[in-house]
Amino acid sequence: QVQLVQSGSELKMPGASVKVSCKASGYTFTRNAINWVRQAPGQGLEWMGWITTNTGNPTYAQGFTGRFVFSLDTSVSTAYLQISSLKAEDTAVYYCARDAPGPDYFDYWGQGTLVTVSS
Amino acid sequence: EIVLTQSPGTLSLSPGERATLSCRASQSVSSSYLAWYQQKPGQAPRLLIYGASSRATGIPDRFSGSGSGTDFTLTIRRLEPEDFAVYYCHQYGSSPLTFGGGTKVEIK
Repeated sequence: QVQLVQSGSELKMPGASVKVSCKASGYTFTRNAINWVRQAPGQGLEWMGWITTNTGNPTYAQGFTGRFVFSLDTSVSTAYLQISSLKAEDTAVYYCARDAPGPDYFDYWGQGTLVTVSS
Repeated sequence: EIVLTQSPGTLSLSPGERATLSCRASQSVSSSYLAWYQQKPGQAPRLLIYGASSRATGIPDRFSGSGSGTDFTLTIRRLEPEDFAVYYCHQYGSSPLTFGGGTKVEIK
């Protein structure tokens, strides 16, 4: 069965960096793009962008350029989200989500990774 | 950017009642590329509906989606205890992909 398993919670100081992983299993990793979605505490869902897993080409939504980097390691079927120069407002749960075959709705989601930025 | 407005913000209902959730788009959603997700506290969202009206695998038939253009509806025919959650609509027809602000369905 399809699974996306994310890395565990992180507590970081302002200005530090964090790298969140999303390991896929149960399907051919390079056939479906991976999206990243942010959910701030008590808030709704915000699409951050996506990365095509066959070419590794990332697309970033407005507001997620510069400090945010999507990457892949196809040898271990894993997508990564790296955030640099962390700020308190980056505190959120970050989800990876698989693009469904065809149109770009999200058919499977990781369990989420809580990133807390605090001094 | 397509802005999705969900209403009501909170719906207070009893088990067995019918829930009707609305999602209105600021411009037409192409090809009815509109999905609905359910999210329970501490959990990831779960896909319920895609293409405005197609149920995802394993979703009970008490969940149904309808609509086109700018007006979409999620209906839960008879609420079960496990249906009390937050529901989000999501348009994937044009970039940037966007979500509605959510409707919380709570027990009355």
